[in-house]
Amino acid sequence: AQSVAQPEDQVNVAEGNPLTVKCTYSVSGNPYLFWYVQYPNRGLQFLLKYITGDNLVKGSYGFEAEFNKSQTSFHLKKPSALVSDSALYFCALYNNNDMRFGAGTRLTVKP
Amino acid sequence: NAGVTQTPKFRILKIGQSMTLQCTQDMNHNYMYWYRQDPGMGLKLIYYSVGAGITDKGEVPNGYNVSRSTTEDFPLRLELAAPSQTSVYFCASSSTGELFFGEGSRLTVL
Repeated sequence: AQSVAQPEDQVNVAEGNPLTVKCTYSVSGNPYLFWYVQYPNRGLQFLLKYITGDNLVKGSYGFEAEFNKSQTSFHLKKPSALVSDSALYFCALYNNNDMRFGAGTRLTVKP
Repeated sequence: NAGVTQTPKFRILKIGQSMTLQCTQDMNHNYMYWYRQDPGMGLKLIYYSVGAGITDKGEVPNGYNVSRSTTEDFPLRLELAAPSQTSVYFCASSSTGELFFGEGSRLTVL
């Protein structure tokens, strides 16, 4: 069975500081991992994905994620947070036509 | 390019009523999905389809039905609405793993 976990319900950072949103996964075989962002009353929007290759993946809006196979993690990062980054972030794991989502982490960036 | 379109955006149902949530995509994607989103629970997969005429159950299929007669359309039907089905429903489509989502349909069952 596959699963994905986001251990933090809420992450608070100050504008200009680096941010990290954590994600861990469990799957047999190679993982296909994704990050999505959701703004209020909207559908989810794709940020980035890891399929294979470099462990550091760059995505939209300056976000990047680091795939770590030994720690089964795929943490989302950004060097300098913006107030407009405040949103709900979801990690997702794709395997065999099934995309499983974490419970989400609410990121709040304060001015 | 409309992407994924869901209707209605909002609906209130009485217990026992039935309704269909519509989903249409214009990207010619083979894969389509229905999720429900409950507060603090992330998204749970209800049903998915890998192509016209093919559907399969996800994590939480009970109380729902789907059909996929065309590549574009993937309606979700609730036959006997229950308060537990109060949620926000998202339809999504995909061709290469990355999902494209609709804006969501907020359903309240009273």
